[in-house]
Amino acid sequence: EVQLVESGGGLVQPGGSLRLSCAASGFTVSNNYMSWVRQAPGKGLEWVSVIYSGGDTYSADSVKGRFTISRDNPKNTLYLQMNSLRAADTAVYYCARDIGHSAFDTWGQGTLVTVSS
Amino acid sequence: DIQMTQSPSSLSASVGDRVTITCRASQTITRYLNWYQQKPGKAPKLLIYAASSLQSGVPSRFSGSGFGTDFTLTINSLQPEDFATYYCQQSYSTLWTFGQGTKVEIK
Repeated sequence: EVQLVESGGGLVQPGGSLRLSCAASGFTVSNNYMSWVRQAPGKGLEWVSVIYSGGDTYSADSVKGRFTISRDNPKNTLYLQMNSLRAADTAVYYCARDIGHSAFDTWGQGTLVTVSS
Repeated sequence: DIQMTQSPSSLSASVGDRVTITCRASQTITRYLNWYQQKPGKAPKLLIYAASSLQSGVPSRFSGSGFGTDFTLTINSLQPEDFATYYCQQSYSTLWTFGQGTKVEIK
């Protein structure tokens, strides 16, 4: 069964850091494009970052220079390193697999990140 | 960035109704348009990709159409489990963007 399980969310102070993990099963992370998508409380979806199978990465302007997407191939796990966190980064963070056409067919359950003092 | 605008933002409908949701892109995205359904507290679910291709396992009452800047998601014969929020997403440029969502509520 294809599955994604996120972890690492929690409460962090403004300016702090957090690393999210997304463990995959049933497929190989490094063979797919993988993204992080977030959703602020009561708001819509916002794409955050992508890592291509070849290793190239791209991020939304709102997180560029602060967030870094990466993967550990032996662990079949995707990561999102988040630095210099702001209140506006408070959201549920989902990892998602791209099936091609940059459409996300598999999503994790989400992990909540709360940035507050 | 490409802006995606959905209409309406919300609608009320009855079981058995035909529902249409529109998504407009700020520039042409050819057929790079996907649709998702999200229920409260759950992750989004892919319904339609490449404007009109039905994702495996999605009921055939869902359909998508459009090209360029204007797209439509249609739900034929709305079912109780279809009450949810629907999002469009452009995948034309790497800085992918979503519409603001359309909430489908029970009349």
